[in-house]
Amino acid sequence: DIQLTQSPSFLSASVGDRVTITCRASQAISSHLAWYQQKPGTAPKLLIYAAFTLQSGVPSRFSGSGSGTEFTLTISSLQPEDFATYYCQQLNSYPLTFGGGTKVEIK
Amino acid sequence: EVQLVESGGGLVQPGGSLSLSCAASGFTFSDHHMDWVRQAPGKGLEWVGRSRKKANGYNTEYAASVKGRFTVSRDDSKNSLLLQMNSLKTEDTAVYYCVRDNDHYGMDVWGQGTTVTVSS
Repeated sequence: DIQLTQSPSFLSASVGDRVTITCRASQAISSHLAWYQQKPGTAPKLLIYAAFTLQSGVPSRFSGSGSGTEFTLTISSLQPEDFATYYCQQLNSYPLTFGGGTKVEIK
Repeated sequence: EVQLVESGGGLVQPGGSLSLSCAASGFTFSDHHMDWVRQAPGKGLEWVGRSRKKANGYNTEYAASVKGRFTVSRDDSKNSLLLQMNSLKTEDTAVYYCVRDNDHYGMDVWGQGTTVTVSS
């Protein structure tokens, strides 16, 4: 199984900050990686797929990069509505797996 | 409006069975793979299983933790996805989400989730 390791697992940031979350895969997954945002009590929302393609309707302050085994999600200027938990997911091979999550909280 | 609505969650004893349903609307259901993803209380996301679309033979895939106990099926004529869960364990307690799956391009539509509690 492909393991996804997200770091950090928790980060505290202020509105306007640039935030970067890393996702490392235990083996190469090409660009078959997606990022999701989840707020408490709600379903996850797709932000980015194929490592760097922004899902329709997602603000441009979100961006993704990477391929192979190392990927990043960047929020260029953190907004109040961005405080949430973020998950990466590999869609390269079965079983599909998620990272452990990164909780972004207000400093 | 594209929508997925799950139903069927509830309280069940260990060893018991439960069937979840997902009603899809607003898109051509038969053109999409469909998945179940679950989230235990206070934990992260776990993929449960996938039903591929008709063009891919309706093949299914499962996480090791549920293989042999859970069955994903679909009825394209009714735009519905099912999850039959047998031999339930306390560790199956979670919110179960029905998800539209675009293969390598991510899971772009999620239901609101239905809660399954396995407890004596």
